[in-house]
Amino acid sequence: GENVEQHPSTLSVQEGDSAVIKCTYSDSASNYFPWYKQELGKRPQLIIDIRSNVGEKKDQRIAVTLNKTAKHFSLHITETQPEDSAVYFCAASMRSGTASKLTFGTGTRLQVTL
Amino acid sequence: NAGVTQTPKFRVLKTGQSMTLLCAQDMNHEYMYWYRQDPGMGLRLIHYSVGEGTTAKGEVPDGYNVSRLKKQNFLLGLESAAPSQTSVYFCASSLSFRKNTDTQYFGPGTRLTVL
Repeated sequence: GENVEQHPSTLSVQEGDSAVIKCTYSDSASNYFPWYKQELGKRPQLIIDIRSNVGEKKDQRIAVTLNKTAKHFSLHITETQPEDSAVYFCAASMRSGTASKLTFGTGTRLQVTL
Repeated sequence: NAGVTQTPKFRVLKTGQSMTLLCAQDMNHEYMYWYRQDPGMGLRLIHYSVGEGTTAKGEVPDGYNVSRLKKQNFLLGLESAAPSQTSVYFCASSLSFRKNTDTQYFGPGTRLTVL
C-alpha cells in the first residue's frame, strides 16, 4: 500500500518568516495530494490540495508544489502569523475502482513565535 | 447545514465493554470514512463505505465493525474494547471518489479512553 513520510515533525519559525513542510510518497499511482490543518482539539480541515497533472498551486499565503518524478510534495507558508500555529498533515490518495483512500503523513507541529 | 457530526464527544470504557460511535452527515455524500488518530501516527483509516449498505476494510480494521444502513449515517462498533483502542476517532465524508468531488470533510472527533 501507499506510505507517506512527512518532515519535519516540529517546526518553529518567527512571525513573518516562511515555513516549508515536505512529504514523500511511495506509490507512483497516487494522484491527489491534500494538506490538512488541525488546531489543538479540533478537526482536520483542508487548506489546499493538488492533483497529479499540476506542478504548483497557490492560495494567498499558502502554496503546494508537486514533483511526480521524485514522488515528493511540499507545503509553503509565507509571511507566517500566530494563527498559523497548528499541526499540518499531508496525505496522498489513489483511485482504485470506485474507492479513493487517503494515506496520511505523521504530521508537523508548526509554532509561529512573536 | 451541520456538516459532519459525531456522537458522543467523549467516552470512557472498561476493557471488554462494547460501544457504538455514530457519524452523521447532511451533505448527501456517498462516501464515509472512520479514522483513528494516535500521537505521532497521523490518521489511519479503519473502515470506509462507498454507499448505503456497503462497507470495506481500511488500514487498521481489526477489533472494529461498521454499518451503513442509511446513507447519512456511518456507525463504528467496538465489540470488546481493549486499551490499545484508546484514541481519538474521526469520521469523514466525501461526495464521491471522482476528481473535484473527493475532498474529505471531517467531524469533530470522539475521544475514547479504554481502561
